[in-house]
Formats: sequence, structure tokens, C-alpha cells
Amino acid sequence: AQTVTQSQPEMSVQEAETVTLSCTYDTSESDYYLFWYKQPPSRQMILVIRQEAYKQQNATENRFSVNFQKAAKSFSLKISDSQLGDAAMYFCAYSFRGGATNKLIFGTGTLLAVQP
Amino acid sequence: ETGVTQTPRHLVMGMTNKKSLKCEQHLGHNAMYWYKQSAKKPLELMFVYNFKEQTENNSVPSRFSPECPNSSHLFLHLHTLQPEDSALYLCASSPRKRTDTGELFFGEGSRLTVL
Repeated sequence: AQTVTQSQPEMSVQEAETVTLSCTYDTSESDYYLFWYKQPPSRQMILVIRQEAYKQQNATENRFSVNFQKAAKSFSLKISDSQLGDAAMYFCAYSFRGGATNKLIFGTGTLLAVQP
Repeated sequence: ETGVTQTPRHLVMGMTNKKSLKCEQHLGHNAMYWYKQSAKKPLELMFVYNFKEQTENNSVPSRFSPECPNSSHLFLHLHTLQPEDSALYLCASSPRKRTDTGELFFGEGSRLTVL
């Protein structure tokens, strides 16, 4: 069975600094997606960034980038120039690409605090 | 307005009550999902519907009864719940596979408290 592990329950970063959130996963599949979702206090889960397993290039979205290490089954999120609005719970998630639907498997989340 | 709308946002019910959670998606998607979110636990997938047909029931107790009358609407009927069922219930949707980017689109959730 696939699993997703986030070993950092809480992290803190100073505004304008860089922070890295860790995620490891386990799967026997070769074709899958990995995601980072953000859940602010308002509760709606918002997609931050997506990585397709067949792509070797790490995904980037503005200040957000990932370090995807397929062999190590590691998928970390780097947030550069942190802003107060980045404070939220961050979830790492996995989805098998070959399924008929998108059954995402989530980690337990990392609560990120941004200090002014 | 978000693409996935959930009502009510908050619900308090006794263990003998019957209530329902409603989810509506305005994105033209074909698949809909219920997840349960409890503190310090991973989100738990409960049910999946694809083109109105249930394709996944993740060993959910029968006191939770889903209903999907069409691809835009999803309900979760609740009866004789237990206090441990208190959680945030998230609805999500996704498009058909040929246009898919793999992600789920979430609503804001319904916070359920069982007394």
C-alpha cells in the first residue's frame, strides 16, 4: 500500500527567509503524481505545486519549488522569500496516475508559522 | 464563489440525530470524493464516485451513507454517529481522466461535532 510521511509536525520561518518542508513516500508504482497542498486557517485546501513522476525536472511555481528524488522517494517543498500569507498547514500527497479517479493519499501535514 | 461548495460549514448533532452534508461542484467534473480530516491524522478517503457510480468505499461504517444523484452533487447522510466521528469532512472533485492533471479540487469543509 502507498504511504506518505511528513516527519515535521511544525516548522517556523522568518519572513523573507527560506524554509524546506520534508516528505517521503512509498509506492511500488512507477507512474504517479506528487502534490503539495496548502490549507490556511479558512480551511480550503489549495494546490501549491504538482510533480509528475516521469519528469526528472523539479517543478517550480513562483516562490515554491520541489526537490524530487525518485530513487529515494523523497519530495520536499522549498518556500523562498516567505510571506505572512504562507502560514498554513501543508500537506504532501500522492496519487497513482493510472487509476480511473484521483485517489490522493495524504501525509499528516506540517504546520508552518511565519514570523514577522 | 469557490468551485466546490459545501453546506453546512458547521454542524452540531447528538448521537441520535440524522443530518446530511451537502457538496456541489460547479467545475464540470465527473468524480467526487468525501474525505475525513481529524487532528494529527492523515486525511482519510471515505468514498469516491465516478459518473454517479460509487467506485470506492474505504471500509466506512454504515452510519455514514453517501448519495450521488448526479455528477455535480454529493451528499453524506449521517445517523447515530459517535463522538469520535467529530471531524472536518472535506468534499473534492476531479475532471475526467483525459483532461486530468491528477489533482483534487476541494471545498471548504463541514466541521462536524457529535455530542
